[in-house]
Amino acid sequence: DTEVTQTPKHLVMGMTNKKSLKCEQHMGHRAMYWYKQKAKKPPELMFVYSYEKLSINESVPSRFSPECPNSSLLNLHLHALQPEDSALYLCASSQDSGTQETQYFGPGTRLLVL
Amino acid sequence: GQNIDQPTEMTATEGAIVQINCTYQTSGFNGLFWYQQHAGEAPTFLSYNVLDGLEEKGRFSSFLSRSKGYSYLLLKELQMKDSASYLCAVRNYGQNFVFGPGTRLSVLP
Repeated sequence: DTEVTQTPKHLVMGMTNKKSLKCEQHMGHRAMYWYKQKAKKPPELMFVYSYEKLSINESVPSRFSPECPNSSLLNLHLHALQPEDSALYLCASSQDSGTQETQYFGPGTRLLVL
Repeated sequence: GQNIDQPTEMTATEGAIVQINCTYQTSGFNGLFWYQQHAGEAPTFLSYNVLDGLEEKGRFSSFLSRSKGYSYLLLKELQMKDSASYLCAVRNYGQNFVFGPGTRLSVLP
């Protein structure tokens, strides 16, 4: 099973709303990632969790708040977003050991901020 | 600094061979990955190189020269379904993946 699941698939929210994106994997991977991808652009790394600890935060605004409740789950809490935050949000996971391990991506959550 | 460069768009004919180049300058290097991404879908893994040379996987091959900061993805016997964006990504030390801008490939009949 090489599946990463994400919910919801689509999300529309206002600038004053609070919402959360969820990501789950059952491959025993110990590294999990959040990416943001705008149309016709490559994914941009936001956060990396390694062994349930935040290891990389790529200067992401505080209105995005990641959480890793356990080794299988990764959340991204959203609050007071701006219209320019509208994008595809991708979750990924990898083994976090060895050098040949690639990332497996979830299908993404398409977010629209009004 | 970190910089990864790829051609923006390429066009090829069904059944042909196409080579997509990637050049990189990164603060660390722990492997280069190629991903395929169809419009509206998540990236899927195609190939991985960490040592110099050619890795072959069916219709797809990838080449790496670390001294030149250069890689290419070779697609043979092109099919219409190969129309997609192809992303080159470098993994720095640790788990930091940096993606190139992607190359949009159009395969024509």
